[in-house]
Amino acid sequence: GAVVSQHPSWVICKSGTSVKIECRSLDFQATTMFWYRQFPKQSLMLMATSNEGSKATYEQGVEKDKFLINHASLTLSTLTVTSAHPEDSSFYICSALSGRANNEQFFGPGTRLTVL
Amino acid sequence: GNSVTQMEGPVTLSEEAFLTINCTYTATGYPSLFWYVQYPGEGLQLLLKATKADDKGSNKGFEATYRKETTSFHLEKGSVQVSDSAVYFCALSRGSTLGRLYFGRGTQLTVWP
Repeated sequence: GAVVSQHPSWVICKSGTSVKIECRSLDFQATTMFWYRQFPKQSLMLMATSNEGSKATYEQGVEKDKFLINHASLTLSTLTVTSAHPEDSSFYICSALSGRANNEQFFGPGTRLTVL
Repeated sequence: GNSVTQMEGPVTLSEEAFLTINCTYTATGYPSLFWYVQYPGEGLQLLLKATKADDKGSNKGFEATYRKETTSFHLEKGSVQVSDSAVYFCALSRGSTLGRLYFGRGTQLTVWP
């Protein structure tokens, strides 16, 4: 199956700093990628839909100035958490839509963010 | 709105036991339904899916039937193995929004030898 990678797998940062998380589709092109946030023992919550070459579409309640998404190529989307605070600590998961595989979503392994 | 309600875990079973993880949904129209599995340290993987009422999805011994009358998509396996230990997520997708998935909370399954 198709592979999606995320980097880093975990990161610890100080409050007020910014953190960038990368999501790559390794063996297929993805015009659409998704960013999710997962709290402990809770569901994955969609944050935004990232389309290559255009602005991301954010879900209601997600601050677009806080969570900057860039999808500059068909294999890479980045999520930047700006001016991070402890409440931003979470597990962030991306997925990529493969048109080749009947529009199935392939998920990255996730990035654990801890803000001190 | 669209939502998925999933049986809370954790579920602990002995090897070869029968597994059921309940999932019910709320959606307008006719959603597609999915079960994803997340093994430790890995990303979510599609386990099985069903796109219309009465369809049965199956894979690796797991089955789930799309029941429109009860708005359910329960996951079953007749004989679990230790290697099935993982977190299982039920999800739905509305056909009108390509790729948009609504997830349940996930159910942690642990199988003991």
